[in-house]
Amino acid sequence: AQSVSQHNHHVILSEAASLELGCNYSYGGTVNLFWYVQYPGQHLQLLLKYFSGDPLVKGIKGFEAEFIKSKFSFNLRKPSVQWSDTAEYFCAALTGGGNKLTFGTGTQLKVEL
Amino acid sequence: DTGVSQDPRHKITKRGQNVTFRCDPISEHNRLYWYRQTLGQGPEFLTYFQNEAQLEKSRLLSDRFSAERPKGSFSTLEIQRTEQGDSAMYLCASSFSLAGGTWEQYFGPGTRLTVT
Repeated sequence: AQSVSQHNHHVILSEAASLELGCNYSYGGTVNLFWYVQYPGQHLQLLLKYFSGDPLVKGIKGFEAEFIKSKFSFNLRKPSVQWSDTAEYFCAALTGGGNKLTFGTGTQLKVEL
Repeated sequence: DTGVSQDPRHKITKRGQNVTFRCDPISEHNRLYWYRQTLGQGPEFLTYFQNEAQLEKSRLLSDRFSAERPKGSFSTLEIQRTEQGDSAMYLCASSFSLAGGTWEQYFGPGTRLTVT
């Protein structure tokens, strides 16, 4: 079965620190990948997506992610985090013929001033 | 706001009662999805509709769960004879899909169900 793994469950950073959140997927076919963010008290919002083409994708709020097919990875990065980036981040893969999202367990990021 | 809306936002019910949730997708979206999220986990797929047709159901969706999308617009998710294990956040999402094309899913705020 397809699965998505996020290895960092809780991350605490100081403002201006660099961020990298890991995401690995297990699926041998064509896969579309996403990062969603959930700010406190808000609903899931799309940060960025990879469908095809350039493996380095840029999203909103300065986030980017790199699709590395050989490593089955889609890590999320941001060079300098802000306090307002405190949120839960979910990696997801569109599987089942594009019919459903399979999510990782999420990474809770806390950015301290 | 033209995003996905869900009603109610919170529901507390006693074990054994039936509950029904509603989801209104983004108007031009032909696909509608239901997910369930429990504490410390990511959302898990339950079922999805293309227009009014329910095309896939997860093994998580027991016989006590039923979902409908009668006119291809809003959808309802009903849970009969609720159990404490049904306590979770129920999320609805919608997307637009065309043959050969895949678009991202937009999520609603969810309905938090607590079964006492």
